Amino acid sequence: GAGVSQSPSNKVTEKGKDVELRCDPISGHTALYWYRQSLGQGLEFLIYFQGNSAPDKSGLPSDRFSAERTGGSVSTLTIQRTQQEDSAVYLCASSLPQVDTQYFGPGTRLTVL
Amino acid sequence: AQSVTQLGSHVSVSEGALVLLRCNYSSSVPPYLFWYVQYPNQGLQLLLKYTSAATLVKGINGFEAEFKKSETSFHLTKPSAHMSDAAEYFCAVSRPSGTYKYIFGTGTRLKVLA
Repeated sequence: GAGVSQSPSNKVTEKGKDVELRCDPISGHTALYWYRQSLGQGLEFLIYFQGNSAPDKSGLPSDRFSAERTGGSVSTLTIQRTQQEDSAVYLCASSLPQVDTQYFGPGTRLTVL
Repeated sequence: AQSVTQLGSHVSVSEGALVLLRCNYSSSVPPYLFWYVQYPNQGLQLLLKYTSAATLVKGINGFEAEFKKSETSFHLTKPSAHMSDAAEYFCAVSRPSGTYKYIFGTGTRLKVLA
């Protein structure tokens, strides 16, 4: 079946602009995660959604970062007033509820000029 | 708190040689442990996982790992390296319940020499 998909695959933006990154999880996966992969910080957890529960936002690095999940499926990660240090690959993963194994999408490479 | 340390950011082996990628963890609760592989410009693919059952875990592509509580280690091995094993490998730890969010190591890039 279809895996986790992310769009766009690449995004180049200018410093100060807002960006939206999209994640389509595997059908039936109610748990959804965002991670950031950057040269300086490695792979970092950002945010976690599970069904209708309040999201775990403990990994978001600043209030410029936000995410939402509509209808329990598609998720959008928004970065406002982008900075050069936001340049990274943003990975989305999904899993079945209360299951440990996460399935990752191919990522969105964000470059902030 | 949980953390993962991967010793060696780059490892080179000859084709056919043993692959050993090291992972040590720290966790205040019994951990779940994972190895993922990332090929260039792709997402992460699960190789294997330890979730408190058998301590010797076999995964895909001939890889295996052994959970050693006394050493807080979960090293990844493969008896004979293949050129297609060249990739970046990540060890991750999570709690056995709750959000299951992963704490990743910094990764080890494996190079296989012909």
